[in-house]
Amino acid sequence: GEDVEQSLFLSVREGDSSVINCTYTDSSSTYLYWYKQEPGAGLQLLTYIFSNMDMKQDQRLTVLLNKKDKHLSLRIADTQTGDSAIYFCAESPQNRDDKIIFGKGTRLHILP
Amino acid sequence: DAGVTQSPTHLIKTRGQHVTLRCSPISGHKSVSWYQQVLGQGPQFIFQYYEKEERGRGNFPDRFSARQFPNYSSELNVNALLLGDSALYLCASSLSGGTQYFGPGTRLTVL
Repeated sequence: GEDVEQSLFLSVREGDSSVINCTYTDSSSTYLYWYKQEPGAGLQLLTYIFSNMDMKQDQRLTVLLNKKDKHLSLRIADTQTGDSAIYFCAESPQNRDDKIIFGKGTRLHILP
Repeated sequence: DAGVTQSPTHLIKTRGQHVTLRCSPISGHKSVSWYQQVLGQGPQFIFQYYEKEERGRGNFPDRFSARQFPNYSSELNVNALLLGDSALYLCASSLSGGTQYFGPGTRLTVL
């Protein structure tokens, strides 16, 4: 089946690292994504990782993929107030590049 | 370059009415997908169109329909609106599938 699970809330102090975790069920997924949604806005593609990769780093963002456990994580280094948003984990099922399956989103709250 | 654009930004309708939402993809992108995002949930896939043909359809009733025009823009139509259709409707474009880039959405309220 196709399902993506992630925790609903995360609170982090400004300047610390944030780690948002996600599990997915479709082991044949080709791409896994992280999208960011600010209040009242659409989705911003943050980063994505191809299923044959273990890690991808892009400035403050690090994505780790454990394909055996079907676990994906997003680490945001030096979290800032502007990082406050909802973060969606998503997968693109194999042979189904028409759709993306999203989790329910993790709301990241930044503490001063 | 402009990103994905959607119109209108907000819309209020009453039950039983129909609605048409519009989307223009990123220049050069030939595929458009539509998603429904109910408050507090992740987006749910409705349709994808590629080269004016429907390529994929999610688990939505026949009241939902869409089409893609020769310039690759797209319309989503919803007939016989229900209260439960109130949501943010997101359009995404991609070159031919794969990585999708989203627009700002149209917020539909059904009273």
